[in-house]
Amino acid sequence: QQPVQSPQAVILREGEDAVINCSSSKALYSVHWYRQKHGEAPVFLMILLKGGEQKGHEKISASFNEKKQQSSLYLTASQLSYSGTYFCGTVNQAGTALIFGKGTTLSVSS
Amino acid sequence: DAGVIQSPRHEVTEMGQEVTLRCKPISGHNSLFWYRQTMMRGLELLIYFNNNVPIDDSGMPEDRFSAKMPNASFSTLKIQPSEPRDSAVYFCASSLERAGPSSYNEQFFGPGTRLTVL
Repeated sequence: QQPVQSPQAVILREGEDAVINCSSSKALYSVHWYRQKHGEAPVFLMILLKGGEQKGHEKISASFNEKKQQSSLYLTASQLSYSGTYFCGTVNQAGTALIFGKGTTLSVSS
Repeated sequence: DAGVIQSPRHEVTEMGQEVTLRCKPISGHNSLFWYRQTMMRGLELLIYFNNNVPIDDSGMPEDRFSAKMPNASFSTLKIQPSEPRDSAVYFCASSLERAGPSSYNEQFFGPGTRLTVL
């Protein structure tokens, strides 16, 4: 049930772009994205809902392909502050809670 | 505004001892989640409460773990007896679920409790 994220790690220079993928073996109704900086708690980035609705408040975009059961997070013109581990979460089979992927670690250097 | 509050922030204990972790969710939130994070297993959901009622505890590892939510502003996660493999960071998160016991809204995480069992 745990979604699979790829790649496991990304190393970028400031200004470069990155794509993080999240895929599931079961039908998805929503995908959640969180970012965790080292030693801190995960922080919400956005939710993508079935039907195309997207909620979020950061200048990071994402897509949700229901047929392929996957989501992608797009980080463009990366900044140092983008460094951290990105987690996608999908709703479990019972529809009661999130199951998180193992995370993708993004390192941005100047 | 106060976020999710967890205590203690760090706990070091010896194998066999009882450990109690505490969480105060954001006022007005009706859902509370306990997670465990390790390098090997990532961020795992342990238990989920909605309106103080445990909805999904399938992630609780074994009988040594128990969680309670006696009221809307307080929850505990207890490990008795503790073992070295329980060493991890334990996060509590809360959210406001408007459509019943589901996870369609932003979760706010507390700072976590780093547990070390020697």
